[in-house]
Amino acid sequence: GNSVTQMEGPVTLSEEAFLTINCTYTATGYPSLFWYVQYPGEGLQLLLKATKADDKGSNKGFEATYRKETTSFHLEKGSVQVSDSAVYFCALSEVYSSASKIIFGSGTRLSIRP
Amino acid sequence: NAGVMQNPRHLVRRRGQEARLRCSPVKGHSHVYWYRQLPEEGLKFMVYLQKENIIDESGMPKERFSAEFPKEGPSILRIQQVVRGDSAAYFCASSPGEGSSPLHFGNGTRLTVT
Repeated sequence: GNSVTQMEGPVTLSEEAFLTINCTYTATGYPSLFWYVQYPGEGLQLLLKATKADDKGSNKGFEATYRKETTSFHLEKGSVQVSDSAVYFCALSEVYSSASKIIFGSGTRLSIRP
Repeated sequence: NAGVMQNPRHLVRRRGQEARLRCSPVKGHSHVYWYRQLPEEGLKFMVYLQKENIIDESGMPKERFSAEFPKEGPSILRIQQVVRGDSAAYFCASSPGEGSSPLHFGNGTRLTVT
């Protein structure tokens, strides 16, 4: 079945460092891909998405490119801030008939040191 | 527009009691999903519902757990005869249903079984 594998955490970086969180997927067909972020004590929020190959999603300085040839959707940010500390989830949507279900990776905890 | 509303925010139950978790989706959203998150773990899909129909309950334990999304009113996740292992955060999410639509999450109900 479809699945998402993402880099295990925790990831600890200094402020202004470059961030990469790896994500690869297994899917039949052409799923949409997402990154969600979860701050402490809250639910998940959509960070960015891409719906087809070579699309780049971007938001708040984060970017991810839908790479069909490598089945990847790695999350990057050029200069992280303390406020980026959170858990990040990669996800894909399965589409069958008129419905859809989203499958999440296991999450990567990111901690940024001032 | 109000987001996904979940209540209660925290719920404490003794072993053997019943837990009822409520979720009101974003207005106009007809698709509801329930996920469970154990401490320091990712999100595990439980069930996907549309109004009055269960579409996919492949992640739901066969016993003690049930979910509904009636024509009127919130979606309910019901756990009968709770055990300590049911302690977790339960998140509800909604979407309008198209394959590329992201999920909108509530802030979760944190269930503690004593």
